[in-house]
Amino acid sequence: NAGVTQTPKFQVLKTGQSMTLQCAQDMNHEYMSWYRQDPGMGLRLIHYSVGAGITDQGEVPNGYNVSRSTTEDFPLRLLSAAPSQTSVYFCASSLASGGYNEQFFGPGTRLTVL
Amino acid sequence: AQKITQTQPGMFVQEKEAVTLDCTYDTSDPSYGLFWYKQPSSGEMIFLIYQGSYDQQNATEGRYSLNFQKARKSANLVISASQLGDSAMYFCAMREGSTGGFKTIFGAGTRLFVKA
Repeated sequence: NAGVTQTPKFQVLKTGQSMTLQCAQDMNHEYMSWYRQDPGMGLRLIHYSVGAGITDQGEVPNGYNVSRSTTEDFPLRLLSAAPSQTSVYFCASSLASGGYNEQFFGPGTRLTVL
Repeated sequence: AQKITQTQPGMFVQEKEAVTLDCTYDTSDPSYGLFWYKQPSSGEMIFLIYQGSYDQQNATEGRYSLNFQKARKSANLVISASQLGDSAMYFCAMREGSTGGFKTIFGAGTRLFVKA
């Protein structure tokens, strides 16, 4: 199993550009989520999904869109990048949303917005 | 509203000694889970230990134990016999049940420094 994969690992954008951060998992996990981590800080929840076709907002959803058309993939879209979105983005997945299973994290995407 | 608080931005501990990292939480959901993760300087997130809200006993995993005090809404991580490799950021996290939509939120973290 590859676990949770994220692409790209690094990205530099200009203000106003859009892009999609890719996240995939091969563990058949229902639950997937996106977090951002700013320097020296904790992880803040952006969006999450409890299954294909179901998504919901987290703590800091503004400026981001998600969709979940398959169990495996959960892309995060930046609509119009802003310098405030410079951060490290982590995707995570876990077994059944009703259970309290640990989340498995991807390696992260380091995004810089100029 | 769901909330996690870690009040210790940084902690120092001597090698081979025990250390306690504090975590308090707030939720109205009677069913929830508490987690601790370690993030070394390399950046990956490593799961350490889990405690369910209905668990009667404190969770233990090797050198890690979770001091769960439900009435006080605290879930402190205890690391025994600290090692140099324990130097890292430590995050407390909480997942609510169906009332909270199963989402997991994290505290701000505690940076642990282990001294030789």
